[in-house]
Amino acid sequence: DTAVSQTPKYLVTQMGNDKSIKCEQNLGHDTMYWYKQDSKKFLKIMFSYNNKELIINETVPNRFSPKSPDKAHLNLHINSLELGDSAVYFCASSQVAGNTIYFGEGSWLTVV
Amino acid sequence: AQSVTQPDIHITVSEGASLELRCNYSYGATPYLFWYVQSPGQGLQLLLKYFSGDTLVQGIKGFEAEFKRSQSSFNLRKPSVHWSDAAEYFCAVGASISGSARQLTFGSGTQLTVLP
Repeated sequence: DTAVSQTPKYLVTQMGNDKSIKCEQNLGHDTMYWYKQDSKKFLKIMFSYNNKELIINETVPNRFSPKSPDKAHLNLHINSLELGDSAVYFCASSQVAGNTIYFGEGSWLTVV
Repeated sequence: AQSVTQPDIHITVSEGASLELRCNYSYGATPYLFWYVQSPGQGLQLLLKYFSGDTLVQGIKGFEAEFKRSQSSFNLRKPSVHWSDAAEYFCAVGASISGSARQLTFGSGTQLTVLP
């Protein structure tokens, strides 16, 4: 069973559209994250939720809105997509007592 | 704020040769250090991690890394590289934010090419 799973893996969409990426973890972790990897492969944190509460909210356009219905799910909704949003988005999770962050397979978003 | 530097953007080695990927970090306290690997079109897989204790840590796939506080380094090594090791390697430093939230700061990555 995949520990951190994201859907869809690939997404091609037009500018101006609204899209969502879903993430689920079956590790029983308390904290979930969204990271963005740009075209130069640089990875940067976007958001972190702990038990459905927003903990980290980096400088991200407010077109990006994370939603955590429960501690096993953290979805990313993006409004009015722009060309610059094209990237790989990684979901991740970690446990209270641990320091290791486990990543999903990534979602490749292409905005055309 | 923490930072990570991977000075080598691209490294090429022959299969069977030894490998060392460099990583330097900046962090005010005792760091949590990680190495992740990303194969083409794939996600991030944890290779190994250092939290405390023995400064030489063993990971998966025959990789090891050594934490050197005096040099602020956490270099990744493998004695004999296999063609399947060709991938992008990321060093990261982890900082506690609140509760169980951890913020990873990644280096810019090192692309490894393995020649037959």
